[in-house]
Amino acid sequence: EPEVTQTPSHQVTQMGQEVILRCVPISNHLYFYWYRQILGQKVEFLVSFYNNEISEKSEIFDDQFSVERPDGSNFTLKIRSTKLEDSAMYFCASSRQGGNQPQHFGDGTRLSIL
Amino acid sequence: AQSVTQLGSHVSVSEGALVLLRCNYSSSVPPYLFWYVQYPNQGLQLLLKYTSAATLVKGINGFEAEFKKSETSFHLTKPSAHMSDAAEYFCAVSGGGSNYKLTFGKGTLLTVNP
Repeated sequence: EPEVTQTPSHQVTQMGQEVILRCVPISNHLYFYWYRQILGQKVEFLVSFYNNEISEKSEIFDDQFSVERPDGSNFTLKIRSTKLEDSAMYFCASSRQGGNQPQHFGDGTRLSIL
Repeated sequence: AQSVTQLGSHVSVSEGALVLLRCNYSSSVPPYLFWYVQYPNQGLQLLLKYTSAATLVKGINGFEAEFKKSETSFHLTKPSAHMSDAAEYFCAVSGGGSNYKLTFGKGTLLTVNP
């Protein structure tokens, strides 16, 4: 069964550094998402992406965050200048369509900011 | 705006006993509802979804959930727990229309005792 893959599984970065989290969504899916889960807290929506543009973003997704689909297969999340509070598990998801179509999640990237 | 409340952050059952994980939602539009399961060090796996076709929804691994509009609930059940069911379970709501983001509950950790 096709799945969403995320790399790396664990990323350790110094505060203030840029980090790029990578995702390969399921190939025939059209909608892409990033979520994060801070340790001990609920999974939170960051951003959705469709037709090569952001369709919705949360308050968390400020100017330090950006997303890109550079080559038709990868979907990346960039954090420009990381803060300690960015430490979390970041999940990529994709769905064939929006609305009632289920989102399929990757195994996540654990981001640790030192 | 949507929200999800999962009653009980931790539920413990004996192997073979009934599993009942509670989820109540709030949505200003007819909701799409989902249950996801997360095994240790893995991503979120879809268990089942409600999209208004039928109020009783069957999912994978013997789980099912019933949508009750009058109670704004979508509780997850399984008649007989298995050791392999031990995991964290998340209820999520999507608002439909152009609002595709998932809003998650805080999760319920299920432990199964032999």
